[in-house]
Amino acid sequence: DAGVIQSPRHEVTEMGQEVTLRCKPISGHDYLFWYRQTMMRGLELLIYFNNNVPIDDSGMPEDRFSAKMPNASFSTLKIQPSEPRDSAVYFCASIHNLGTRGTDTQYFGPGTRLTVL
Amino acid sequence: GEDVEQSLFLSVREGDSSVINCTYTDSSSTYLYWYKQEPGAGLQLLTYIFSNMDMKQDQRLTVLLNKKDKHLSLRIADTQTGDSAIYFCAESSDTGRRALTFGSGTRLQVQP
Repeated sequence: DAGVIQSPRHEVTEMGQEVTLRCKPISGHDYLFWYRQTMMRGLELLIYFNNNVPIDDSGMPEDRFSAKMPNASFSTLKIQPSEPRDSAVYFCASIHNLGTRGTDTQYFGPGTRLTVL
Repeated sequence: GEDVEQSLFLSVREGDSSVINCTYTDSSSTYLYWYKQEPGAGLQLLTYIFSNMDMKQDQRLTVLLNKKDKHLSLRIADTQTGDSAIYFCAESSDTGRRALTFGSGTRLQVQP
């Protein structure tokens, strides 16, 4: 398996522009997570999905952020309009819920490094 | 809410043992994880431990869990320069919520 795939790996944009980050989870995984990593705040959970349905979006910082999962193999995280404080590395992760706790190993993608000028 | 804390930095010499510590507050934590992040990469699971275990060993890695004190440690024996990375402690609780709560990460620097 190719693992969790994220694109782009790097994104540089100007303040006010729309940014779309993409994620392809591991095939067969039914949970998908979006995290943001910054020096100041560490790793923060933004939102996660189960079977394409958003379960917890309490970590989404504000209405400028939105996430969708139109099917089991694709998710997007959109920021509109982007601001310099959104600069961070955004990670996507997925797990397969086997129904047995302890096997919820989260597999992370390589991340998208976003810079908003 | 849940909180996971780690020291920020650890420096050791090659060949020595490294011990990275973590404390957590959620008494319902049932699974605790150690992840490794190398520069420019995502997080990679190193090992995990169930809360009903005190210790788990996997080759050079030893995880110790003191559930009473809510303290978790990761020992790396014979530390190598390739072990230089950021190590994250994470916990999940048995509430049906699948998300993990991560610590801030400990940067391990291995000096030759």
